[in-house]
Amino acid sequence: GAGVSQSPSNKVTEKGKDVELRCDPISGHTALYWYRQSLGQGLEFLIYFQGNSAPDKSGLPSDRFSAERTGGSVSTLTIQRTQQEDSAVYLCASSWGLAGATGTDTQYFGPGTRLTVL
Amino acid sequence: ILNVEQSPQSLHVQEGDSTNFTCSFPSSNFYALHWYRWETAKSPEALFVMTLNGDEKKKGRISATLNTKEGYSYLYIKGSQPEDSATYLCAFPYSGGYQKVTFGIGTKLQVIP
Repeated sequence: GAGVSQSPSNKVTEKGKDVELRCDPISGHTALYWYRQSLGQGLEFLIYFQGNSAPDKSGLPSDRFSAERTGGSVSTLTIQRTQQEDSAVYLCASSWGLAGATGTDTQYFGPGTRLTVL
Repeated sequence: ILNVEQSPQSLHVQEGDSTNFTCSFPSSNFYALHWYRWETAKSPEALFVMTLNGDEKKKGRISATLNTKEGYSYLYIKGSQPEDSATYLCAFPYSGGYQKVTFGIGTKLQVIP
């Protein structure tokens, strides 16, 4: 079946421009996550959506970052006024979100968007 | 910020060698421990989810053990093959009620033919 898809796969932008990154989760998955991996760093949590609950935005590094999830499905991560330190691979993942407090939910990752800010 | 550490950060082994690496995590408020494999130019994919102290999971030549009391998990690869070359990530859920997860930096394994 279809996995998690992300677009674009690569994005090169100039400092100060806005960018939008898109994630299509697996159909039926209620949980959606955004992460980023900067060069030489581990996966950094950005934001989490679960069903109709308010998103957990605690990982967003600044107010230039925002994300929305429409209709409980597609999500868009927007970075305004991009800076060079925003250059990273942005990964989206989704999961069934049904494991409650057990921590056993497996995340299914998309291929990522490589963002380069010049 | 929770401390999830992986060691070593990189590893080169010859084809056919067996190898192992470590994930260390906080031993309090344990929910589960996940292992993922991330091959270059591909998406990370799940290997194991482990929940019980003493748990041992196996998938082909890859196995993992879990010690929740001392806060570590080992991943073993028996008879490494070039296709095992990847970054191996461990992930530690740290919020009950949902699935917020901290990832380790990963162990990058290179198997030399």
